[in-house]
Amino acid sequence: DQQVKQNSPSLSVQEGRISILNCDYTNSMFDYFLWYKKYPAEGPTFLISISSIKDKNEDGRFTVFLNKSAKHLSLHIVPSQPGDSAVYFCAAPNSAGSARQLTFGSGTQLTVLP
Amino acid sequence: KAGVTQTPRYLIKTRGQQVTLSCSPISGHRSVSWYQQTPGQGLQFLFEYFSETQRNKGNFPGRFSGRQFSNSRSEMNVSTLELGDSALYLCASRPGAINEKLFFGSGTQLSVL
Repeated sequence: DQQVKQNSPSLSVQEGRISILNCDYTNSMFDYFLWYKKYPAEGPTFLISISSIKDKNEDGRFTVFLNKSAKHLSLHIVPSQPGDSAVYFCAAPNSAGSARQLTFGSGTQLTVLP
Repeated sequence: KAGVTQTPRYLIKTRGQQVTLSCSPISGHRSVSWYQQTPGQGLQFLFEYFSETQRNKGNFPGRFSGRQFSNSRSEMNVSTLELGDSALYLCASRPGAINEKLFFGSGTQLSVL
């Protein structure tokens, strides 16, 4: 049962344009969401997060939007740069067990074309 | 502060063998989690250790096991390797058991032939 889904395995965008990466979730109990970025041969690194009490969080060129009624979040990158080319994972902590571990989506490969 | 360190970076094994992967968390971090990454499957949670105790376990067979030492370093073991175990194994640490943000190592790329 995939609780966090990224339905687009890949996305190509021209440099300078907006990149929009999407993520859907099924568990309405999720109260916090994170985006991670992963370059080849490196581990994922934290990018930006949002609490479920907000519908938007912005950090420089990166903005995450949360639509709780649709159980959907999106990451906007404006303007996109070639260095943004990476795999992006959305994630949410669940409450299984005695600690909250992160459940990840399958990732979206973003390619920013110069 | 040094980041999360995983060794080895690359490993080639044959079916039926066993393998042990090592992870040193960020200094002061007491929680270590392990994830498996395969193409198209994202990051699948294996288990998490906190203060030498396994706190959570994902849906993996018993061939996958782990442990954590008193210095918070962790090892993951896979016995009777199968071809499908070929993957990138990522270790992540965090200060406590409830902080959401994980800090990942670069991973160990395991190839099973």
